[in-house]
Amino acid sequence: KQEVTQIPAALSVPEGENLVLNCSFTDSAIYNLQWFRQDPGKGLTSLLLIQSSQREQTSGRLNASLDKSSGRSTLYIAASQPGDSATYLCAVFLLMTTDSWGKLQFGAGTQVVVTP
Amino acid sequence: DVKVTQSSRYLVKRTGEKVFLECVQDMDHENMFWYRQDPGLGLRLIYFSYDVKMKEKGDIPEGYSVSREKKERFSLILESASTNQTSMYLCASSYGQLHEQYFGPGTRLTVT
Repeated sequence: KQEVTQIPAALSVPEGENLVLNCSFTDSAIYNLQWFRQDPGKGLTSLLLIQSSQREQTSGRLNASLDKSSGRSTLYIAASQPGDSATYLCAVFLLMTTDSWGKLQFGAGTQVVVTP
Repeated sequence: DVKVTQSSRYLVKRTGEKVFLECVQDMDHENMFWYRQDPGLGLRLIYFSYDVKMKEKGDIPEGYSVSREKKERFSLILESASTNQTSMYLCASSYGQLHEQYFGPGTRLTVT
């Protein structure tokens, strides 16, 4: 059974520091990995999608890497700002065991606080 | 930009009531999903739909049903609401299975 783990569960950094968020998964047979941001009481905002054939994906201050063989992805946020405070979730897309449909398996998230 | 909207941000219902949660997407996406999110349990897939009138069970379908009569709309139905269905419900859509999922703002449902 695929397990997705995000460590640490919470992180506090001063403004301006780079953020490094980790995601690990137990089964390397994934199709893609998606990073999301969630503000308190709100829905999820998609940040980046990395296909299984890709090593990294970049969008502005965000960079996500994927190493399927070691079961890891890392989200880097450069020069953090107070507005980056949120919970960040990673999710891997995998096929369901009984049919050909797939689903996202989510980690529990890392809660980030960026202090001014 | 993709927009996924949900009919209510907050909903309070009584035990035994039939509850309808509506989700609409405006990007002609094939796939739509319903999740619930609970502290300590994370996001769990309830049902998804890959086409109009088609549906598949997710990880926790018990106590729920869904309806997709039109491509843009996916409804989650709680046939007889119970207190253990108090949760945040999130709808999502994607163009194809391997494409990004886009989420709505969520509906916080309280069943008393």
